[in-house]
Amino acid sequence: AQKITQTQPGMFVQEKEAVTLDCTYDTSDQSYGLFWYKQPSSGEMIFLIYQGSYDEQNATEGRYSLNFQKARKSANLVISASQLGDSAMYFCAMRESANTGGFKTIFGAGTRLFVKA
Amino acid sequence: NAGVTQTPKFQVLKTGQSMTLQCAQDMNHEYMSWYRQDPGMGLRLIHYSVGAGITDQGEVPNGYNVSRSTTEDFPLRLLSAAPSQTSVYFCASSFDGRVKKLFFGSGTQLSVL
Repeated sequence: AQKITQTQPGMFVQEKEAVTLDCTYDTSDQSYGLFWYKQPSSGEMIFLIYQGSYDEQNATEGRYSLNFQKARKSANLVISASQLGDSAMYFCAMRESANTGGFKTIFGAGTRLFVKA
Repeated sequence: NAGVTQTPKFQVLKTGQSMTLQCAQDMNHEYMSWYRQDPGMGLRLIHYSVGAGITDQGEVPNGYNVSRSTTEDFPLRLLSAAPSQTSVYFCASSFDGRVKKLFFGSGTQLSVL
């Protein structure tokens, strides 16, 4: 079963508008972390934002915010004032406990965002 | 500061050949992992390690072996390459801080003919 679900394979947004990328997750851990990464066409992976399961406030990093709804197990990424450079693939990821101690991180299938001028 | 270094960047193999993808990090990170990226599938975890001498299987471990003899290095071995292993492979590392974000290598594009 998918642990990280991103239901939007592709999204279009007009430049300067806000966009929400959806992410739901499934874990039995009490302590876990949620991430969003950006992958532009160059292929590199860029960390955007992090939310811990015990963090009471939604995380924000510049134009990025994470809408964390713990009871619904959702961790949506909101990008405000979209820019052409935001066109990229976006991955939701979850850090959870590992069998060997420590942790592991798993990813969703991603959402490709297209920003229109 | 080199960060996470993957070699090679590109590789073409014939079915049945073996090879090792190299991954090294110079940040003294305890955690290292290998992912493969296929179109529409996101990044899938192959194997991961929580420290030297400790490895475990991820979501798609079949056909791959790993070992972690040092903190710095985490090689991924393909024992007998198959066309289904054609993919982009990413190595990533992380330290045991509050966030534990991943630091990625630049990736290896592998084609198996």
